[in-house]
Amino acid sequence: DAGVIQSPRHEVTEMGQEVTLRCKPISGHNSLFWYRQTMMRGLELLIYFNNNVPIDDSGMPEDRFSAKMPNASFSTLKIQPSEPRDSAVYFCASSPVGGGIHEQYFGPGTRLTVT
Amino acid sequence: RKEVEQDPGPFNVPEGATVAFNCTYSNSASQSFFWYRQDCRKEPKLLMSVYSSGNEDGRFTAQLNRASQYISLLIRDSKLSDSATYLCVPNSGGYQKVTFGTGTKLQVIP
Repeated sequence: DAGVIQSPRHEVTEMGQEVTLRCKPISGHNSLFWYRQTMMRGLELLIYFNNNVPIDDSGMPEDRFSAKMPNASFSTLKIQPSEPRDSAVYFCASSPVGGGIHEQYFGPGTRLTVT
Repeated sequence: RKEVEQDPGPFNVPEGATVAFNCTYSNSASQSFFWYRQDCRKEPKLLMSVYSSGNEDGRFTAQLNRASQYISLLIRDSKLSDSATYLCVPNSGGYQKVTFGTGTKLQVIP
């Protein structure tokens, strides 16, 4: 079975450019999470969706960040305009719903470098 | 106080040793607890779920102390393959929401 799929795996861009990260969750999972990981701050939750609806976006750093989930099999995280401090590894994770808090299955991550 | 606090380590232990990590959490309402492991430049993966007072899976034992708001992870007979960063993860309220600690790095030495 395919796990969580993320693309691209690596992205290098210049400051001010728009960056779009993509995620395909595991089929049948109803919850989707976007995280950012840096050495200084560890793994931070940016936003999570349940049944394609954003439930908690309190972790989104600022208006430059936006996330969408147009259907159950696809989500995007967009940064516009990008800044060097956005450099990090961005993980997408999915989880089944029901019966309590479940394991989250992570994608391989997108390593973003903004110069 | 941080939601989740872990000693970053690194813990350098010889093969075969027993090692334990602690993690404290601040949300007394947390009901579900997890340990994830993360290998270098890889994604986190679930190691253990912690229910009630604890859980055991082979060489790994997790214990929960709700009164003191900490959970621990004990690894017996350490293997080289146990070298990784171990992330403590309590749920943080809200539907399906958890908070990841910054992790404890373990290096098992031959």
